[in-house]
Amino acid sequence: LAKTTQPISMDSYEGQEVNITCSHNNIATNDYITWYQQFPSQGPRFIIQGYKTKVTNEVASLFIPADRKSSTLSLPRVSLSDTAVYYCLVGDRDTGFQKLVFGTGTRLLVSP
Amino acid sequence: GAVVSQHPSRVICKSGTSVKIECRSLDFQATTMFWYRQFPKQSLMLMATSNEGSKATYEQGVEKDKFLINHASLTLSTLTVTSAHPEDSSFYICSALIRDRVSEQYFGPGTRLTVT
Repeated sequence: LAKTTQPISMDSYEGQEVNITCSHNNIATNDYITWYQQFPSQGPRFIIQGYKTKVTNEVASLFIPADRKSSTLSLPRVSLSDTAVYYCLVGDRDTGFQKLVFGTGTRLLVSP
Repeated sequence: GAVVSQHPSRVICKSGTSVKIECRSLDFQATTMFWYRQFPKQSLMLMATSNEGSKATYEQGVEKDKFLINHASLTLSTLTVTSAHPEDSSFYICSALIRDRVSEQYFGPGTRLTVT
C-alpha cells in the first residue's frame, strides 16, 4: 500500500486559495488518489478523486503531475467552515480501496 | 444518496460491560463494511473489514474476541465492544462500499464511546 506524506498543519485566511500537497512516491499503476475532509467528531467526507492530470468538482481541484508521485488539493477561496483535517489516500479503486491507510492528514485552520 | 448511519452517536458505559454499535447503509447495499477507531488528535486506524455473511477480517493487533463484528445483511454491520475498559474509549467510525460501485468508501458519522 502506497504511503502518503502531507504537511501536519496549514494556516490560511478567508478568501484565500489553499493548496495542500501530498507525496506518494510508491503509488502503483492501478492506484487512484482520493482526498477526504474530516471535521471534529464526524466521519470523513469524500472531496475529490483522480488518477492523473487535473480533476475539478464544485468544491475543489486535484492536480496530479505526470509521474503521479504527488498530488495537490486546491481549495479556492476558503471560508471559516473549511477548517478541518484533510486526508490524502491512495488505493486500487477497482477493489474499493480496501484497507485504506490514513496518514496524519493536514490540519487546516482558516482565520478571519 | 449513499448515506451511512451509526447508532448510537455517543454512548457511555461502565468498565466491564459490553456495548454494541450499529452501522447501516440507508439507501444502498454494501458489499463490504469497514470499522475504524480514532483516538483524539490522531488519524483513523482500520480495525477490521466485514463482508456480508462471512467472518470479519481483523487487522494486526486488534483482538477479535474483544471487538465482535457481525455483518448479518447487506445493510447492517455491528461492532460489539466486549468487557469494555477505559482504554477502549474512542471514536468508532464505520464505512461501506456500494455493491457494484466500489470506487469510494462512504463513512458514517461515528460513535463516541466513553468507558468509565
